[in-house]
Amino acid sequence: GQQLNQSPQSMFIQEGEDVSMNCTSSSIFNTWLWYKQEPGEGPVLLIALYKAGELTSNGRLTAQFGITRKDSFLNISASIPSDVGIYFCAGQLTSGSARQLTFGSGTQLTVLP
Amino acid sequence: DSGVTQTPKHLITATGQRVTLRCSPRSGDLSVYWYQQSLDQGLQFLIQYYNGEERAKGNILERFSAQQFPDLHSELNLSSLELGDSALYFCASSPWGLEAFFGQGTRLTVV
Repeated sequence: GQQLNQSPQSMFIQEGEDVSMNCTSSSIFNTWLWYKQEPGEGPVLLIALYKAGELTSNGRLTAQFGITRKDSFLNISASIPSDVGIYFCAGQLTSGSARQLTFGSGTQLTVLP
Repeated sequence: DSGVTQTPKHLITATGQRVTLRCSPRSGDLSVYWYQQSLDQGLQFLIQYYNGEERAKGNILERFSAQQFPDLHSELNLSSLELGDSALYFCASSPWGLEAFFGQGTRLTVV
């Protein structure tokens, strides 16, 4: 099956710094999604990417769908304490009404004041 | 609040038992997905239903089964439970498309 390699596994940064994380896959995906998960909660969708090469922003977050359709990155600018959490990339394959998300292993982000 | 409701939030049960986890999708969403999250395996896709029919299957054990009812709520049945089944179980829903919205999960502990 598909495998996603997400890096880095964890990051410790100072408040105000920019953050970058990425995912690579051995297979092609139709859609890339980025989620954030906080303790005791389910993953919350941050950004969805539908086309190869697409660059999408959501506030301080920017993500790109790689040209090869096998990779994606997420940037967070000017980090703040509430950015703390685990960030997951997910690649989605679609076939008719069938949908299957494959998740990366997550990037644990810690923002130091 | 994603609009996806899962019950119960926590469940503690003994090995060999059977449990049922319930999910109410967002209003109007036809697709329901089940995921398992454990420390060593991350988020693993189990199964997807669309408008009552199974559409995609991941690494779901034979001891596990799911269904989606006419009112679109879904249940995940886990039987002959083992210690290794302890995990967070998430339900997600989506409309026709693309983005899946997750519930808060059910934490299952098998003792």
